[in-house]
Parts: sequence; C-alpha cells; structure tokens
Amino acid sequence: EPEVTQTPSHQVTQMGQEVILRCVPISNHLYFYWYRQILGQKVEFLVSFYNNEISEKSEIFDDQFSVERPDGSNFTLKIRSTKLEDSAMYFCASLEGGTRGYEQYFGPGTRLTVT
Amino acid sequence: EDKVVQSPLSLVVHEGDTVTLNCSYEVTNFRSLLWYKQEKKAPTFLFMLTSSGIEKKSGRLSSILDKKELFSILNITATQTGDSAVYLCAVEAADSWGKFQFGAGTQVVVTP
Repeated sequence: EPEVTQTPSHQVTQMGQEVILRCVPISNHLYFYWYRQILGQKVEFLVSFYNNEISEKSEIFDDQFSVERPDGSNFTLKIRSTKLEDSAMYFCASLEGGTRGYEQYFGPGTRLTVT
Repeated sequence: EDKVVQSPLSLVVHEGDTVTLNCSYEVTNFRSLLWYKQEKKAPTFLFMLTSSGIEKKSGRLSSILDKKELFSILNITATQTGDSAVYLCAVEAADSWGKFQFGAGTQVVVTP
C-alpha cells in the first residue's frame, strides 16, 4: 500500500540552526501539507501546498518557515533559525484530491528537538 | 474564530463496552469533518463526513454528522484493547482548501 514517508525520524538541533525536514508524498497525490504537534497538544495546521505554491498557511507559518517541492517527489519544510518552541513532531500529509480521493494520508512524523 | 471542541477529553472503558465520542465545531462555511485515530505517531484516517444524517460505517466504528446542530459523533461498539488511542476530529472550511483545524482529541483507554 502506498505511504507517505518522512526523514529523518528524529532530528536534534541547536537553537538558531536551520533544519530541513523531508517528506515523500504518495506519488499520484496533488495536495501536500505540513502539521506539527507539540508534545501533549493538538495537531496544528502549518501549510498546504498545491500546484507548486502555498494554498493556505497558518499564523504559525511565519517568515522562518518555508516549503519547497524541489523535484517531482520530495516536499520539504525548512525552518531557518530554530527556536526552542519549534520542538514538536512534524507531520507531512498528502491527499489525492479531485473526485478520486479526499483521504489525507499522514507520514510517520519527524520529531524535532531544539536544544 | 473557528473552533473544534471534542468531548470527553478522556475515558476508560472495559472491553466490550460501547463508546460515543463527540466533536462540536464552529466554522465559517463548513466543507467537511474528518475523524482520525492516533495511536503512537501519525493520525490514521477513519471517516470523512460532508452531509448531515448519513452514517458512515466501518466495522465496529460508525460516525454521523449533524450540520444543523454543528456536531459529529463517533461510535465504537464492542470495544477491544486495540481501540485504545486518541481520536481526533478535524474540520475544513469551504474557502480554506485543505486547511484542517483539529480538536484536542479524546483519549480512549480500553481495559481487558
């Protein structure tokens, strides 16, 4: 069964460093998302991406964040200068869209720890 | 501001019991409501609801939406220990394609 994959599974970084979280969405999916979940808190929407551009973004997704689909398969989230409060589980998700599918598939997540 | 509120926050039941989870929402221009099960890591999709009164069913799980009263329920019958998880509800507005706002979840613990 096709699945969303994410790397790395765990990333530890120092405050102020840049991190790039990587995702490979399901191949025929058209819509891509990043969410985060701070330990013990709710899943929060960060950004959605369609047709090579951002469709929606939340208030959390400020200038420190960016997303890219550098090739036909990868979808990345970059945090330019990490802060302690960026420590969270980051989930990538993809969705086929259109009349074919509205189910959002989540990847296993990347746990980001900022020290 | 859009809101998604789930209740109860947590519950503990015995195997074989039935549980009913509630998700109420306030969202401008509602499009869809989704239910997910989150065990250790990533949420896994259960149901998507867009129309009132139509029950979605999958095995022992079922869900229904009431767009007039702005809530959905998720039922799990004949619970098993494998049903122990956090159940998440997420709502999407029609003018915010793919921007799913999640509730805080209901933690269900099923004891043998």
